[in-house]
Amino acid sequence: RKEVEQDPGPFNVPEGATVAFNCTYSNSASQSFFWYRQDCRKEPKLLMSVYSSGNEDGRFTAQLNRASQYISLLIRDSKLSDSATYLCVVKSGGYNKLIFGAGTRLAVHP
Amino acid sequence: DGGITQSPKYLFRKEGQNVTLSCEQNLNHDAMYWYRQDPGQGLRLIYYSQIVNDFQKGDIAEGYSVSREKKESFPLTVTSAQKNPTAFYLCASSISYSNQPQHFGDGTRLSIL
Repeated sequence: RKEVEQDPGPFNVPEGATVAFNCTYSNSASQSFFWYRQDCRKEPKLLMSVYSSGNEDGRFTAQLNRASQYISLLIRDSKLSDSATYLCVVKSGGYNKLIFGAGTRLAVHP
Repeated sequence: DGGITQSPKYLFRKEGQNVTLSCEQNLNHDAMYWYRQDPGQGLRLIYYSQIVNDFQKGDIAEGYSVSREKKESFPLTVTSAQKNPTAFYLCASSISYSNQPQHFGDGTRLSIL
């Protein structure tokens, strides 16, 4: 079983739609959680950290469920510019080791 | 502007050749990392360095070597022992021993001729 698992997609949604991605992780001792965005053939960029109480940044909402060991990302009012691959990232262990999911691809169409 | 600079953007390696990928950061970060990304897979950690003159193997260190002689520089050498070097290589940095996320350079695409 992979340490971090994501549905690869693609999720094809129209502009204005709401879309949600889930990600599961296997290590219950994981400490920190992040969503990164990666455009085609570019480097990953931090989208948001995920806090235990859940957090929101504009149209983006992240949730953490420690009991079930999953995190989610909700995107409201999708824009064409949201088309990208979204990477679920989990920090485990005593040093700053990040475990990356393979990503979920989102395609927003007009 | 503060950031992480990787060079070159594209690199070709001949059979039996060692090549070195450059990574420089001016963020004053203690920790630096090298990852490899293959299609359909998550990033995999090659080497990391928590502080100058120290580095540790990651999950896939075989066929690679690094040095950390200066805080701002963490070059990666892909040796001839790495039989499948074609990939997208990403360098990252972070404040060491904290919950800060890592920030990435814009990557180097390595292909074999």
